[in-house]
Amino acid sequence: ETGVTQSPTHLIKTRGQQVTLRCSSQSGHNTVSWYQQALGQGPQFIFQYYREEENGRGNFPPRFSGLQFPNYSSELNVNALELDDSALYLCASSFQGAGEQYFGPGTRLTVT
Amino acid sequence: KQEVTQIPAALSVPEGENLVLNCSFTDSAIYNLQWFRQDPGKGLTSLLLIQSSQREQTSGRLNASLDKSSGRSTLYIAASQPGDSATYLCAALPGGSEKLVFGKGTKLTVNP
Repeated sequence: ETGVTQSPTHLIKTRGQQVTLRCSSQSGHNTVSWYQQALGQGPQFIFQYYREEENGRGNFPPRFSGLQFPNYSSELNVNALELDDSALYLCASSFQGAGEQYFGPGTRLTVT
Repeated sequence: KQEVTQIPAALSVPEGENLVLNCSFTDSAIYNLQWFRQDPGKGLTSLLLIQSSQREQTSGRLNASLDKSSGRSTLYIAASQPGDSATYLCAALPGGSEKLVFGKGTKLTVNP
């Protein structure tokens, strides 16, 4: 059974640029959630995708957007990067309604 | 709005000591509660998940309890080891939601 994978591991971007982060869900899971974790804080929910549609969104601006593909993998896109977007971005997969979420290793984004 | 608090923020103990980490939540209408471990700069590893109908879960030296009426959960670690040093996060899943609400974590250091 393959666990949740994320790419890239880390990247550095300049303010104003755009970035795409990728996540492959665990085998058998149909739901992907994205979280942002700033240094020293708990993860904050960004949004969730189920059946290729957004299924709930946290308090993040529209420049944070996502996609889910037919194989349940997902992308997180962030436009017009700001310094405060520097964080660890975590992807979690689950089976809708089962409750337990399994997290990937994260992508460390640094915005300079 | 669900809020999760973890106390203490940091804890340092000698090897071999038994210890308790605390987690409190404001809304008792939760579906489940998960405890995670996070090593520096890494993703989240699920330790224990307690369904709302359960009182506790055990895995090896770890025991987690849940008291919905008081809005509290504890993670008990027996015979602590230096390898247990990490940040421990608890997260509540509100009923009818797929969005985990996290505390800020407790940073545990076990000294040899």
